[in-house]
Amino acid sequence: ETGVTQSPTHLIKTRGQQVTLRCSSQSGHNTVSWYQQALGQGPQFIFQYYREEENGRGNFPPRFSGLQFPNYSSELNVNALELDDSALYLCASSLAASGRASYEQYFGPGTRLTVT
Amino acid sequence: GNSVTQMEGPVTLSEEAFLTINCTYTATGYPSLFWYVQYPGEGLQLLLKATKADDKGSNKGFEATYRKETTSFHLEKGSVQVSDSAVYFCALSTNAGGTSYGKLTFGQGTILTVHP
Repeated sequence: ETGVTQSPTHLIKTRGQQVTLRCSSQSGHNTVSWYQQALGQGPQFIFQYYREEENGRGNFPPRFSGLQFPNYSSELNVNALELDDSALYLCASSLAASGRASYEQYFGPGTRLTVT
Repeated sequence: GNSVTQMEGPVTLSEEAFLTINCTYTATGYPSLFWYVQYPGEGLQLLLKATKADDKGSNKGFEATYRKETTSFHLEKGSVQVSDSAVYFCALSTNAGGTSYGKLTFGQGTILTVHP
């Protein structure tokens, strides 16, 4: 069983630029969630994708957007980067199915984004 | 809204000491509760979970009991090892219909350092 993978591992961008981060979900999972983890903080929910559509969004501006592809992999796009966007971006996959009591999320290793 | 509060400040213990990390929560509905662990430079790993009141989650010697009356989910281990040094996050998810599947709300994390 292949776990959640993310690319790239590290990224340095300049303020105002755009960035795309990628995530491959764990085999058999159909839902991908993205989280932002600032240094020394707990992860914050950005949004979730299910059946290729956004399925819930946290308190993040529209310049944070995403995609989910038919193979359930996903991209996170951030436009007009700001210094405060510097963080570890975590992708998590899960299996959403009716009747489930809980939806355990399995995390990838993250992409460390630095904005200068 | 949902929130998770963990005990503040890093925890430093000697090997074989008893560990408690406190976690309390506020949630609408009936949340599932989780503990995740993050080793240096890595993503989050699910440590244990509990999906209903009085459930006890356990894994690798760690335990936590879902206490609805006190809205708590404290993490305990009877004898810690140097290899347990990591950051521990308490988290919850609610599965209200029509919202994100398993969206996680995290506490701020507790740094555990275990000395030989």
